[in-house]
Amino acid sequence: GAGVSQSPRYKVAKRGQDVALRCDPISGHVSLFWYQQALGQGPEFLTYFQNEAQLDKSGLPSDRFFAERPEGSVSTLKIQRTQQEDSAVYLCASSPSLSGGAPDTQYFGPGTRLTVL
Amino acid sequence: AQSVTQLDSQVPVFEEAPVELRCNYSSSVSVYLFWYVQYPNQGLQLLLKYLSGSTLVESINGFEAEFNKSQTSFHLRKPSVHISDTAEYFCAVSSTGGGNKLTFGTGTQLKVEL
Repeated sequence: GAGVSQSPRYKVAKRGQDVALRCDPISGHVSLFWYQQALGQGPEFLTYFQNEAQLDKSGLPSDRFFAERPEGSVSTLKIQRTQQEDSAVYLCASSPSLSGGAPDTQYFGPGTRLTVL
Repeated sequence: AQSVTQLDSQVPVFEEAPVELRCNYSSSVSVYLFWYVQYPNQGLQLLLKYLSGSTLVESINGFEAEFNKSQTSFHLRKPSVHISDTAEYFCAVSSTGGGNKLTFGTGTQLKVEL
């Protein structure tokens, strides 16, 4: 079956441009997560959705970062006025069930590699 | 707050040799522990996880990890590695009541050589 997909796979932006990164989770998955992975580092949590509700955005590094999941399925991570430090791989993951209790496996997409020049 | 430490950034090993990838965590509450693997040009995949019960957990491809609460460790081991095990391995933790978000280590690159 189809896994988590992300688009675009690669994005080059000039400093100051706005970008939008898309995540298509596995159909029916309730939970959706965004992570940022800088070069040579492990992924770092950005934000979490349960259906359309954004329950945790504690990892978003600044107010230039905004995420949405309006219909509880596809999610978009938007970065306004990109800076060089935003260069990273942005990973999306989905899991079948609600938070609380023992966690379900998170299924990761291939990521979007963002390069800000 | 929780954190994960993977002290070894790279581990070279010959095929059929044993390997151990180290992972230590820090958390003030009970945790769940995971190992994810990233093969070249592929996304992160769950290798194994500890949620509760037996402290020794195994994957389908021969890896195992043991949760050691007193040492706050979750080291990954395999008695005999194969070339196809070459990949980056990430240890991760989530905490009870933490909304299931994962905190990852910096990863260990396992390179299996002939």
